[in-house]
Order: sequence, then structure tokens, then C-alpha cells
Amino acid sequence: AQSVTQLDSHVSVSEGTPVLLRCNYSSSYSPSLFWYVQHPNKGLQLLLKYTSAATLVKGINGFEAEFKKSETSFHLTKPSAHMSDAAEYFCVGWKTSYDKVIFGPGTSLSVIP
Amino acid sequence: NAGVTQTPKFRVLKTGQSMTLLCAQDMNHEYMYWYRQDPGMGLRLIHYSVGEGTTAKGEVPDGYNVSRLKKQNFLLGLESAAPSQTSVYFCASTPGLVVSYEQYFGPGTRLTVT
Repeated sequence: AQSVTQLDSHVSVSEGTPVLLRCNYSSSYSPSLFWYVQHPNKGLQLLLKYTSAATLVKGINGFEAEFKKSETSFHLTKPSAHMSDAAEYFCVGWKTSYDKVIFGPGTSLSVIP
Repeated sequence: NAGVTQTPKFRVLKTGQSMTLLCAQDMNHEYMYWYRQDPGMGLRLIHYSVGEGTTAKGEVPDGYNVSRLKKQNFLLGLESAAPSQTSVYFCASTPGLVVSYEQYFGPGTRLTVT
């Protein structure tokens, strides 16, 4: 079955330290992969997307993610966390048909001052 | 450009009552989606539409109906609400069938069924 897994339901980092949010996808397809961020009581906003053009993808607000086919991973990173990064993050896989949008369960990021 | 808007933002229903959630987009997008978000489960697709007058079932369609009479609007109906439908509902849209297209999300509707 196709799936997107986020290995941590909650991550807590100190302000100014690196952020790593992990995402793995099932290997039965070559997907397009996205990271979305959801701030409290808000809708989802696109951070970045991978569509096979380049394996290292840069997004907004200093985030980037690297697609590693051998590891079926698409981890999200940021060199230095900011208080405003505290939010819920979703890894999303999308195959070439509309109903194959698959959301990971989300990772809640806390940033400690 | 308002993007994707949802009406209402909050609603409390009693079991058995009905209601309609409205999603509107002003980006001339072809495809629209309704999701529900529950704690620890991410977003799950309820129904979607690939164009005016068309709808299709997603992952969790039971208990919901939809209509897309106008390209810019996508309505989600609950005919007889149940407590299991307590959730946050998000509408999204995309321009068309290209996998690089991101989904644009509305701000959500928080529904409580008592």
C-alpha cells in the first residue's frame, strides 16, 4: 500500500538549533512529495515540493529537504530554528491521479526560547 | 485575490441535524477537494471534483455529499450529522492535473457534533 510516514509525532528544539523532521514514503511508486506547514488555527501552506527536477529542494523560510530514493526519505531540515517555526508539519505524497494524495500524520514542532 | 475561502468558520450541530459547508475559490482552479483533519491522522480526503458538474469519492466519503454546480464553489453536505463527524474540515484547490501543482487550502471549518 502507498503510504507516507512521519517518524516523529512531536519534535522539540531550542531556538537557534537545527531542525530535522523525518518523512519516509512507500517505494512502490515515484511520487511527487511536498512539505506543508500549518500554524495554529490556520490552513496549510506549502513549504517546498519535489517533482524529480532536483533532489535537494529549497523552500520558504530557510527550510530545505532532500529526496533520497535509496532510503525512500524526504526529510525536512532547517539550520537554525526560529520561534515562528513552531507549527504542525505535514509530509504529503502525490501520485499522478487526484485521489492518490496521501498525507502523513504530521509532526508537531515546538521551539524552546 | 481571496484565494480559498470557507464558510462558516465554526459550527455546533446536534446529532441528526444537517448542514452545508461552502468552499469558494477565485483562482479559476479546475480541481477542488474536501478533507477532514483529526488528531494524529493527518488529512483524509472526503470527496473531490475535477471540474464543474463532476464529483468523486475519496478515502472517507460515507455520511457526506458534495456538489460542484459552479466552477468556483464546492459544497460539502452532512445530511444527518453524527458525533464521529466532529472534525476540522479543509477545502483545497489546484489548477489542474500536473503533479507539481501545489494544493491551495482554505482556513478550515471547525465542526462539533453533540
